[in-house]
Amino acid sequence: EDQVTQSPEALRLQEGESSSLNCSYTVSGLRGLFWYRQDPGKGPEFLFTLYSAGEEKEKERLKATLTKKESFLHITAPKPEDSATYLCAVQGISSGSARQLTFGSGTQLTVLP
Amino acid sequence: GAVVSQHPSRVICKSGTSVKIECRSLDFQATTMFWYRQFPKQSLMLMATSNEGSKATYEQGVEKDKFLINHASLTLSTLTVTSAHPEDSSFYICSAHPGTYNEQFFGPGTRLTVL
Repeated sequence: EDQVTQSPEALRLQEGESSSLNCSYTVSGLRGLFWYRQDPGKGPEFLFTLYSAGEEKEKERLKATLTKKESFLHITAPKPEDSATYLCAVQGISSGSARQLTFGSGTQLTVLP
Repeated sequence: GAVVSQHPSRVICKSGTSVKIECRSLDFQATTMFWYRQFPKQSLMLMATSNEGSKATYEQGVEKDKFLINHASLTLSTLTVTSAHPEDSSFYICSAHPGTYNEQFFGPGTRLTVL
């Protein structure tokens, strides 16, 4: 069974204070690891897909990296508008043709001005 | 691109009534759509996988007779909560899989409150 654990559960940063969110996973065969952003009362917004260890992707102040056991979402010089819950999900071979995702519980990020 | 809509965004109903939620992929065809449920401060829990033209596949513990799913076309899936009760109150989110990518794209969610 695929499993995803995210840490910390909550993170408070001052504006400009860089940090990283962790996503540890176990999966029989990784098809992809996904990062989403979710604002309160809204659906998740797609950020990144990572497919293999060593891969990195960037978007504005966000950078996602992947190893064989975990992924990090690095936030550089965050702004208050980066405040949200960040969700990590994996898609394993066991999901078959349906390509279901297994989600972690998320990290609630608050960036203070 | 990859926009998914849901309707309604918010619904309040009385206990015992049925509620239908629509999920549409606006700019792509989705052979597979997913329905999730999210309780406050918790992550998304997959309820069912919906494939166009076939019966939905439900996750363990999800009552298929209570949560009716229809995927009548490549751009529309519906979730009907039958005989809703207060414990069905939750945030329901759909997602759509374009088929050519591994990513799922999510709708904005529907807040259901059963009185």
